[in-house]
Amino acid sequence: DAKTTQPNSMESNEEEPVHLPCNHSTISGTDYIHWYRQLPSQGPEYVIHGLTSNVNNRMASLAIAEDRKSSTLILHRATLRDAAVYYCILRAAFWDNYQLIWGAGTKLIIKP
Amino acid sequence: DSGVTQTPKHLITATGQRVTLRCSPRSGDLSVYWYQQSLDQGLQFLIQYYNGEERAKGNILERFSAQQFPDLHSELNLSSLELGDSALYFCASSPGPGGTDTQYFGPGTRLTVL
Repeated sequence: DAKTTQPNSMESNEEEPVHLPCNHSTISGTDYIHWYRQLPSQGPEYVIHGLTSNVNNRMASLAIAEDRKSSTLILHRATLRDAAVYYCILRAAFWDNYQLIWGAGTKLIIKP
Repeated sequence: DSGVTQTPKHLITATGQRVTLRCSPRSGDLSVYWYQQSLDQGLQFLIQYYNGEERAKGNILERFSAQQFPDLHSELNLSSLELGDSALYFCASSPGPGGTDTQYFGPGTRLTVL
């Protein structure tokens, strides 16, 4: 089953951009890359997802490497409310009893 | 508010007991997922149901079982509880079964086994 690897924690200053990396060297051609974040004492919430092309939405940008073996979640201007654990997961496009593997995520610390 | 509801919010029980956690998905969502999150750990995927049928299975213990009912709500049954089962249990829902679907998570049920 395809797995992802993320740094345990990262620190950033408020109002600066944040780049959160994720490695997924065993990704298959039909796996989508999803990012979620979990604020303290809450359930995870969706951030962004993509397949091959870079993606932008109101929360963040997702940059996907050309070989798809890594991706980077970009928060353009971090605020204190962005302090959370960020998870990068892979999801198969089609049903084949795939496994949803969530790693430990990256704990993002924002310094005022 | 994600639209996913979970009950109860907190549950305290003793070892050896059995409990049932309930999840109501967002209106229109056909998939329900169950996750376990132990203290300061990542999420462990347990099981997914899509429109009443089991769709994918993670590391769900044999003491745990789940089902999705015709009205699409789901229940997770945990039996012969052990201290190590103490955790947050999250339910999530999505419109379909596949890889492009966003999962919407409920607020979780905190289970404490004494």
